[in-house]
Amino acid sequence: GAGVSQSPSNKVTEKGKDVELRCDPISGHTALYWYRQSLGQGLEFLIYFQGNSAPDKSGLPSDRFSAERTGGSVSTLTIQRTQQEDSAVYLCASSLAANEQFFGPGTRLTVL
Amino acid sequence: DQQVKQNSPSLSVQEGRISILNCDYTNSMFDYFLWYKKYPAEGPTFLISISSIKDKNEDGRFTVFLNKSAKHLSLHIVPSQPGDSAVYFCAASGFSGTYKYIFGTGTRLKVLA
Repeated sequence: GAGVSQSPSNKVTEKGKDVELRCDPISGHTALYWYRQSLGQGLEFLIYFQGNSAPDKSGLPSDRFSAERTGGSVSTLTIQRTQQEDSAVYLCASSLAANEQFFGPGTRLTVL
Repeated sequence: DQQVKQNSPSLSVQEGRISILNCDYTNSMFDYFLWYKKYPAEGPTFLISISSIKDKNEDGRFTVFLNKSAKHLSLHIVPSQPGDSAVYFCAASGFSGTYKYIFGTGTRLKVLA
């Protein structure tokens, strides 16, 4: 596609349920990043993929968060046993080796 | 610990005047800085960047200034237009543009017609 796409655009879930967020990066972009933006906060780095491997998972807030990337393309961020503090906009970005990151529109997650 | 700080949460400017958005950072290892613009319900879009080997980069109405000794950068928009109204994020990287960005909390710019 022409840009980074994310699905769903909005997700409302109940506390304790698992959610999966999907990111389709720009074709050919080897690097993929997940960030989240909580209310009134900046963008917080979560995890970085280079190809299918994740050299840096340091931003994942807890072991309830995990992510994978397959085929060097699509990535899925999974949040298990969601909590209300997980409510945020989750943004995915992709880039070529040394260029700026291109962001998707984000998934707004609301945990009730 | 906030490594990239945008201390002004909001700014209002009259159309046609200059908008100046400021950003401070604490990590001297950062060597690449970017500004992103974000409209509601959209992802951030890249605006302009600057490498630490430069102190100024200009692109049309947008100019970014970098003061390494002060660990400070600023974005100048001149002349400001109503369509510039958005949230502006400053970001920094320690690997010349690759790898993760550390973002500030953003400044909401409102350009008044």
